[in-house]
Amino acid sequence: KQEVTQIPAALSVPEGENLVLNCSFTDSAIYNLQWFRQDPGKGLTSLLLIQSSQREQTSGRLNASLDKSSGRSTLYIAASQPGDSATYLCAAPGLPDSNYQLIWGAGTKLIIKP
Amino acid sequence: NAGVTQTPKFQVLKTGQSMTLQCAQDMNHEYMSWYRQDPGMGLRLIHYSVGAGITDQGEVPNGYNVSRSTTEDFPLRLLSAAPSQTSVYFCASSYSPEVSKDEQYFGPGTRLTVT
Repeated sequence: KQEVTQIPAALSVPEGENLVLNCSFTDSAIYNLQWFRQDPGKGLTSLLLIQSSQREQTSGRLNASLDKSSGRSTLYIAASQPGDSATYLCAAPGLPDSNYQLIWGAGTKLIIKP
Repeated sequence: NAGVTQTPKFQVLKTGQSMTLQCAQDMNHEYMSWYRQDPGMGLRLIHYSVGAGITDQGEVPNGYNVSRSTTEDFPLRLLSAAPSQTSVYFCASSYSPEVSKDEQYFGPGTRLTVT
């Protein structure tokens, strides 16, 4: 059964720093992984869907990478801003039996200090 | 487009009461799902649907029922509320039935407290 882990659970950094959020998964037979953002009291917003064939996907200051062999994905945020403060979650397919389910990490709560 | 809408936003129930959480989407998405989110845990899938008339169980289905009579609506019914069902509930949808291959859109959530 797929398990997804995000460490650390919380991260606080000064504004302007580049930072990396980590996501680990146990079943490497995945074909993609998704990153989401959740603001307090709100629903989730999709940030990036990275295919295993792509290895990297970029959107603005965000860059997600996927390394199936090591069971890891990273979300790189460049030049962090206070508006980036949110909880970031990753989700992987619920292998081996379903394209219809995602398994979620518990998230990393990110605080960017002005 | 309104996207994914959920009602109510907040609800307090007494143990044993029943209620229905409403979810609707106006994007003609085939896939809809219900998650619960508890502190310190990732989202857990309750039920999902890959199209009108088709539903299936997720990771934590006990105590919940769903139906999908139309493409747009996917209500979640709590049969007899228990304190363990205190949580934030999210509805999500995607165009492709293979949700793991497609971007998901989330509603704003319903915060449920069972006393």
